[in-house]
Amino acid sequence: DTGVSQDPRHKITKRGQNVTFRCDPISEHNRLYWYRQTLGQGPEFLTYFQNEAQLEKSRLLSDRFSAERPKGSFSTLEIQRTEQGDSAMYLCASSFHQETQYFGPGTRLLVL
Amino acid sequence: AQTVTQSQPEMSVQEAETVTLSCTYDTSESDYYLFWYKQPPSRQMILVIRQEAYKQQNATENRFSVNFQKAAKSFSLKISDSQLGDAAMYFCACNNYGQNFVFGPGTRLSVLP
Repeated sequence: DTGVSQDPRHKITKRGQNVTFRCDPISEHNRLYWYRQTLGQGPEFLTYFQNEAQLEKSRLLSDRFSAERPKGSFSTLEIQRTEQGDSAMYLCASSFHQETQYFGPGTRLLVL
Repeated sequence: AQTVTQSQPEMSVQEAETVTLSCTYDTSESDYYLFWYKQPPSRQMILVIRQEAYKQQNATENRFSVNFQKAAKSFSLKISDSQLGDAAMYFCACNNYGQNFVFGPGTRLSVLP
């Protein structure tokens, strides 16, 4: 296992469409995090899972956003009815309990 | 709520020289971790160094070291013998045990040949 992977790396979509991103964490890590990062800013927390349980959600996560982590392995982040303001880099990170988070390469979303 | 502040949006350093990046944070917790992450242009975030708040000794990783002042809630990063590959955005982050990370806004470091 070489690290956290994310798919796709880039996504261009039209406003109003739904998009889904996938994250595969480091295999022995029980925690998985999603962040959003806009240009020139630090990552902003969206949500995190411990195993399959979603333990915390940011107020940034509107009802158009949903995340799942079935069986405590990979995770998906879905954005419904995308808006131009959703354009950002979506980062996934994983950790073993509260230890260091390791980040994936991110999925860059552009909503036209 | 935790907050992390990085007051230097941009810094530059001459190759082989030393530079210090500043970070202050605020948390009500007594136990927490502090991190510096590096994000090169169009590349993924990688861990530079981390510090457990209960440890008084400052963390060191090769050319990277921190000055952790718990009472002042300050956590600066010193890069010695700067190299061209050190050019990147540097993010300071704070993590309470069991909670998510809070990142600062970042400092863009340029290394001049």
